[in-house]
Amino acid sequence: EVQLVQSGAEVKKPGESLKISCEGSGYMFSFYWIAWVRQMPGKGLEWMGIIYPGDSDTRYSPSFQGQVIMSADKSNNIAYLQWSSLKVSDTAKYYCARGFSSTTVYSHWGQGTLVTVSS
Amino acid sequence: QSALTQPASVSGSPGQSITISCTGTSSDVGSSNFVSWYHQPPDKAPKLILYDVSNRPSGVSSRFSGSKSGNTASLTISGLQAEDEADYYCSSQTSSRSLVVFGTGTRVTVV
Repeated sequence: EVQLVQSGAEVKKPGESLKISCEGSGYMFSFYWIAWVRQMPGKGLEWMGIIYPGDSDTRYSPSFQGQVIMSADKSNNIAYLQWSSLKVSDTAKYYCARGFSSTTVYSHWGQGTLVTVSS
Repeated sequence: QSALTQPASVSGSPGQSITISCTGTSSDVGSSNFVSWYHQPPDKAPKLILYDVSNRPSGVSSRFSGSKSGNTASLTISGLQAEDEADYYCSSQTSSRSLVVFGTGTRVTVV
């Protein structure tokens, strides 16, 4: 069974750094794109970008380019999303999702990681 | 990259059919057959229900169907059931190839 399990909720202060994770199992992790999707409180889904764990090829949404870094450890089947300096406006739930038939369709989703940034 | 436009809410009675529109531009929906739809129940992760405009993944009910005309894609839910209450999001590949844009989301209520 394909599963994506994300790391637990985080509470951080503005300016702090953070790295959240998404561990894949039940499939060949290296061969499927992983997308990251943001959902701010009470709002819709926003596509942040994708990473191919096999070679760490990464594509960012212009809205998130330079704001976050996506990475992957294919040896341990884990994808990461990280911030170097969090802002209050980064407060959201972040989902990872696995590619399906293309880089733009996502068939399996993690449970989401809630990130709260507050002073 | 602006979000695709969806109606904020759509409601229907059990057994009825409803249609949700998803309007983009010639740079996304209008130029792509990679339009997908997701269903997100309250406090749950999204779930893929349609891809490539009208294809259903294995296990998804045939009550869900999709189409596209010009810059607008549509999701139809027939035989509406209480369990269909959720938020629905469309997404499309953009002219920048691997990039994706989501719709604004539609809350479906079964009254």
